[in-house]
Amino acid sequence: GAGVSQSPSNKVTEKGKDVELRCDPISGHTALYWYRQSLGQGLEFLIYFQGNSAPDKSGLPSDRFSAERTGGSVSTLTIQRTQQEDSAVYLCASSSSGTAYGYTFGSGTRLTVV
Amino acid sequence: KQEVTQIPAALSVPEGENLVLNCSFTDSAIYNLQWFRQDPGKGLTSLLLIQSSQREQTSGRLNASLDKSSGRSTLYIAASQPGDSATYLCAVPPSGTYKYIFGTGTRLKVLA
Repeated sequence: GAGVSQSPSNKVTEKGKDVELRCDPISGHTALYWYRQSLGQGLEFLIYFQGNSAPDKSGLPSDRFSAERTGGSVSTLTIQRTQQEDSAVYLCASSSSGTAYGYTFGSGTRLTVV
Repeated sequence: KQEVTQIPAALSVPEGENLVLNCSFTDSAIYNLQWFRQDPGKGLTSLLLIQSSQREQTSGRLNASLDKSSGRSTLYIAASQPGDSATYLCAVPPSGTYKYIFGTGTRLKVLA
């Protein structure tokens, strides 16, 4: 597609429920990133996918968080047993080659856990 | 460990002013530096990407400079407009890595 697409744009969920956030990167971009932006905070790196290589999961805050990227394209970030501290904007970015050519971000998913 | 600082944290100026936003980073061994704009409740929009071999990049009323040796970048906005009101973020990838470290941003408000 022309840009990075994220869905849903907003998600309200009850504490303890599981949620799935979707990211559709720019066609042909091999690198895909997930970041989290909590209220009043900076962007926090979560996970990075590059082609068929093993993902860098070093930023995932707990084992309740997982992500996959199917067929080198669409990615899904899953949060299990959501907690109120998971409330944040989840941003996805893609790049044609790591950071060499910069990132293009999607518009984000605002997650609210009540 | 790469740390990115942006000063000021917030800025309010009257329309028409030229202004400078600052970004500093602790590890000068960077590959490039990217400036972004974030509108309230929105994602990030890329403004300018400066490679480590470059000293500046220009796009319209925006000019970004990079001084690697001193660990600094500035974003210059000429003739500011109310539509420029947003949070401006800079980001650098630490040496040998593939992920950006972001500053906490400068929240700009341009008054009509």
